[in-house]
Amino acid sequence: DVVMTQSPLSLSVTLGQPASISCRSSLSLVYSDGNTYLNWFQQRPGQSPRRLIYRVSNRDSGVPDRFSGSGSGTVFTLKISRVEAEDVGIYFCMQASHWPPNFGGGTKVEI
Amino acid sequence: VQLVESGGGLVQPGGSLRLSCAASGSAFTSYWMSWVRQAPGKGLEWVANIKQDGHEKNYVDSVKGRFTISRDNARNSMFMQMSSLRTEDTAVYYCLGYTDAWTLDSWGQGTLVTVSS
Repeated sequence: DVVMTQSPLSLSVTLGQPASISCRSSLSLVYSDGNTYLNWFQQRPGQSPRRLIYRVSNRDSGVPDRFSGSGSGTVFTLKISRVEAEDVGIYFCMQASHWPPNFGGGTKVEI
Repeated sequence: VQLVESGGGLVQPGGSLRLSCAASGSAFTSYWMSWVRQAPGKGLEWVANIKQDGHEKNYVDSVKGRFTISRDNARNSMFMQMSSLRTEDTAVYYCLGYTDAWTLDSWGQGTLVTVSS
């Protein structure tokens, strides 16, 4: 199975300051169709996961533009340009290029 | 598409349970459907998925031979029959749908399965 490694495990940030989460995969996530199936999810306390970014850098509808995704191959990054209070939660990267799809261990973001 | 799970509960080791996922909104048949679980205080684990027409099904090794995923497109529903349950199957089970190339996705609110004697 592909191993997804996130860092840091937790992140304490100041309101209005940027934050960055790294995700590395043990295999290239470039799929045979040319797409890279790397998603980012946010899970607020007591809620279901919510997707923020799909295919590395595409923001989902309704996601604030302070969230951005980048990367290629095996190294990916989620950035929050200015953290707000509602951003508290756990963030997961997830690959769907190889079976089984799997998730990183999560990064807990707190203020 | 909006998703609502049901069927979770407390079951003894070795027992069985059937989870359901009801979809509302448009184009259920455009979505791959899957189950993802989260053990208490832990991360997310993919369990199984099923293609739009129901003809392709995939399972992670830990549930192969014990869990069966299915769907009924006429009823906009997906199911998972779970048998020979183990304590390590205890988790919140989420229903997740996604379109080809993951352009759209949708999660349910989850249903808790507790395997304990």
